[in-house]
Amino acid sequence: GNSVTQMEGPVTLSEEAFLTINCTYTATGYPSLFWYVQYPGEGLQLLLKATKADDKGSNKGFEATYRKETTSFHLEKGSVQVSDSAVYFCALSDPGGSQGNLIFGKGTKLSVKP
Amino acid sequence: NAGVTQTPKFQVLKTGQSMTLQCAQDMNHNSMYWYRQDPGMGLRLIYYSASEGTTDKGEVPNGYNVSRLNKREFSLRLESAAPSQTSVYFCASSEDRQGAQPGQPQHFGDGTRLSIL
Repeated sequence: GNSVTQMEGPVTLSEEAFLTINCTYTATGYPSLFWYVQYPGEGLQLLLKATKADDKGSNKGFEATYRKETTSFHLEKGSVQVSDSAVYFCALSDPGGSQGNLIFGKGTKLSVKP
Repeated sequence: NAGVTQTPKFQVLKTGQSMTLQCAQDMNHNSMYWYRQDPGMGLRLIYYSASEGTTDKGEVPNGYNVSRLNKREFSLRLESAAPSQTSVYFCASSEDRQGAQPGQPQHFGDGTRLSIL
């Protein structure tokens, strides 16, 4: 079945460091891929998305490229800020909608120190 | 912009008690979802409603019931709460059934933090 695997956290970085959070997926067909962010005490917010191979999603300085050959959608940011401290979830959407939902990874907690 | 509103935000129950978690969305979305979030487990789907008048089981439906009251509202009921149901519950909505449109996102509420003693 469809699944998403994320790197385990927590990840602790200093402000202005480079961030990579790895995400790989297993799916039939051509799923849409998403990154969601959850700030403390809040719900999940869509950060970025991509719908086909080689698409690059970007938002707030974050980027991720849909790599079908490696079944990956790694999240990157060139210079993190303290305000980026949150939990990040990679997710995929079954293209046929047969599962009726998003498939989430387990989440990666990021802490950014001043 | 309210988006997805969940009530209550916090609740403590005793084992065996019942309660209903409420969810309402004001985006005229057709599809709604209930997830639970547990440490190290990500989000797991409990039930979803692809459209008004329909509901389907997700990955972890045991111990829960749902009602799609109308297009706006989707409630989750615990008939006899158990400590294993201690979790954070999230309601979400999307314009159409997930997968119907490429890249269609889900919109989440802020969650209900439920503790069962």
